[in-house]
Amino acid sequence: SQQGEEDPQALSIQEGENATMNCSYKTSINNLQWYRQNSGRGLVHLILIRSNEREKHSGRLRVTLDTSKKSSSLLITASRAADTASYFCATGSSSNTGKLIFGQGTTLQVKP
Amino acid sequence: NAGVTQTPKFQVLKTGQSMTLQCAQDMNHEYMSWYRQDPGMGLRLIHYSVGAGITDQGEVPNGYNVSRSTTEDFPLRLLSAAPSQTSVYFCASSYRGMAEAFFGQGTRLTVV
Repeated sequence: SQQGEEDPQALSIQEGENATMNCSYKTSINNLQWYRQNSGRGLVHLILIRSNEREKHSGRLRVTLDTSKKSSSLLITASRAADTASYFCATGSSSNTGKLIFGQGTTLQVKP
Repeated sequence: NAGVTQTPKFQVLKTGQSMTLQCAQDMNHEYMSWYRQDPGMGLRLIHYSVGAGITDQGEVPNGYNVSRSTTEDFPLRLLSAAPSQTSVYFCASSYRGMAEAFFGQGTRLTVV
């Protein structure tokens, strides 16, 4: 399997704190994406970072990518109870097929 | 726009039965994929398509067939359902092979 790994598997924080999730992958990539999944729902795209980028921001989200270490991190600042969800990283290859390889996800609980 | 629509949302099958999971998108996306999600395993790619008339296998294709006769539709067929196919199935589409994916709400399938 080419699945990546995410850590931690579960994270519980208080509202207002920052949450950091890490993702490692195995093969060379064209891009890395982060998705959120609320319980029982579909996945929602959060942010995409290309292999030639090192950092990207979107609102309260900050993503970093280190291709030499084959790793990425997602930082959610000033978390809210509504951020409670599972977060997945997914890698896109250079093959231009639309295929994504997903990590196993991090379950985030933000306590009010 | 409806985005990616999956039907049915829930289905119970008996071992050996066959059925088709429907997926339709109204965004004129060329790239479509089917994933299954099992507890603790993230999403795994079953089949994907880069355009009408073109399909290919993903990581876990056994027991499933797909076809892509139109840009809009990408049905997934279970040939002879087995309990190991109990899972949540997600369809996704993207307008480019290296872009964000849009997911349907999923089909929760139970095989008894």
